[in-house]
Amino acid sequence: DAKTTQPNSMESNEEEPVHLPCNHSTISGTDYIHWYRQLPSQGPEYVIHGLTSNVNNRMASLAIAEDRKSSTLILHRATLRDAAVYYCIPRMDSSYKLIFGSGTRLLVRP
Amino acid sequence: NAGVTQTPKFRVLKTGQSMTLLCAQDMNHEYMYWYRQDPGMGLRLIHYSVGEGTTAKGEVPDGYNVSRLKKQNFLLGLESAAPSQTSVYFCASSYPGTGGLPEAFFGQGTRLTVV
Repeated sequence: DAKTTQPNSMESNEEEPVHLPCNHSTISGTDYIHWYRQLPSQGPEYVIHGLTSNVNNRMASLAIAEDRKSSTLILHRATLRDAAVYYCIPRMDSSYKLIFGSGTRLLVRP
Repeated sequence: NAGVTQTPKFRVLKTGQSMTLLCAQDMNHEYMYWYRQDPGMGLRLIHYSVGEGTTAKGEVPDGYNVSRLKKQNFLLGLESAAPSQTSVYFCASSYPGTGGLPEAFFGQGTRLTVV
């Protein structure tokens, strides 16, 4: 399983963009990059995933470096509800395993 | 839509007691997982199942057993609870797929305290 490095915590102001980085330098060619988040006192929820190209959905955007050794989750306008722990997870295509690291705790200031 | 339901939500056990945590999903998912999360930590995979009747060990399987007799249910058992098993337990399910799928769906957690 590829190892990940994420900042322990980050802070943002409400309604400003947030860029959450993840380093995954040992990623293999078949690993997709998944992002999950965990709101306080809840189970994790899926955010987004991608392989090589940048991806967008209603929750966020995912920017993947050309060498795939790092990626950035982008929240375009942070809200108070986005305060959570964000996990970056490399995952082999069709793999049943989902292995969590320690994640980044995002604090959003009003 | 129930999704993934965990029972019970809270439980206090005495050291040495046994209990079973139940996870039920109504999405016809093949894969099911049990995780534990200690305070301030990320989730760690205990056991998982890739289909009815199959189970496999995850990262931290010691002290736990699991069973998947029905596709929709995944049971986690503690035969002799220890204080080190005090944690929040999360169940998840997902379906097989390619193209970077599958997305996993998580339950709301079971908070277990062993005294």
